[in-house]
Amino acid sequence: DVKVTQSSRYLVKRTGEKVFLECVQDMDHENMFWYRQDPGLGLRLIYFSYDVKMKEKGDIPEGYSVSREKKERFSLILESASTNQTSMYLCASSSNGYTFGSGTRLTVV
Amino acid sequence: AQKITQTQPGMFVQEKEAVTLDCTYDTSDPSYGLFWYKQPSSGEMIFLIYQGSYDQQNATEGRYSLNFQKARKSANLVISASQLGDSAMYFCGTDSWGKLQFGAGTQVVVTP
Repeated sequence: DVKVTQSSRYLVKRTGEKVFLECVQDMDHENMFWYRQDPGLGLRLIYFSYDVKMKEKGDIPEGYSVSREKKERFSLILESASTNQTSMYLCASSSNGYTFGSGTRLTVV
Repeated sequence: AQKITQTQPGMFVQEKEAVTLDCTYDTSDPSYGLFWYKQPSSGEMIFLIYQGSYDQQNATEGRYSLNFQKARKSANLVISASQLGDSAMYFCGTDSWGKLQFGAGTQVVVTP
């Protein structure tokens, strides 16, 4: 089975901190994605990547950046965390179908 | 840009009854895929069913079927014989231009 692992299940950070959310997949998938999930809004695509060192903006990239130095790892970076970035963050990878990580619930205080 | 609309924020359904979850979409991609995922309270995203835009037959997976009406850009999920374990959030998504995007979801509560 494809496994997508998000390093933290829960995170609490302070406003202004730089935050790294890590996602690792173990099946050599080309494509990886970051979403945030908020009640009433569903999952919204932040960034995605088709290959190492490649990245594309999704629907809500403002306030976020990403890094993909190795094929298996896709990192989401909050350069200066703000309270409106408190959310559930989900990572996914795809080849033939999509597999999701279990999510990171980030609280910014 | 693609847009996915799920008009039912929440619904109650009685155990053993069938339920239809609505989904409409809009995309300019001539070749796309339609997905349904289930998210129980644990938060995991569970794949339910997939329909390709060129598939002639409606997709079925066990108790799940997808009522695909391409001209209307509609991809409704039908769950037959609901079970208590079907209580969850359900998301419709379209995979077009290489990315999967979702609607706002429908919360389903199955009652005994």
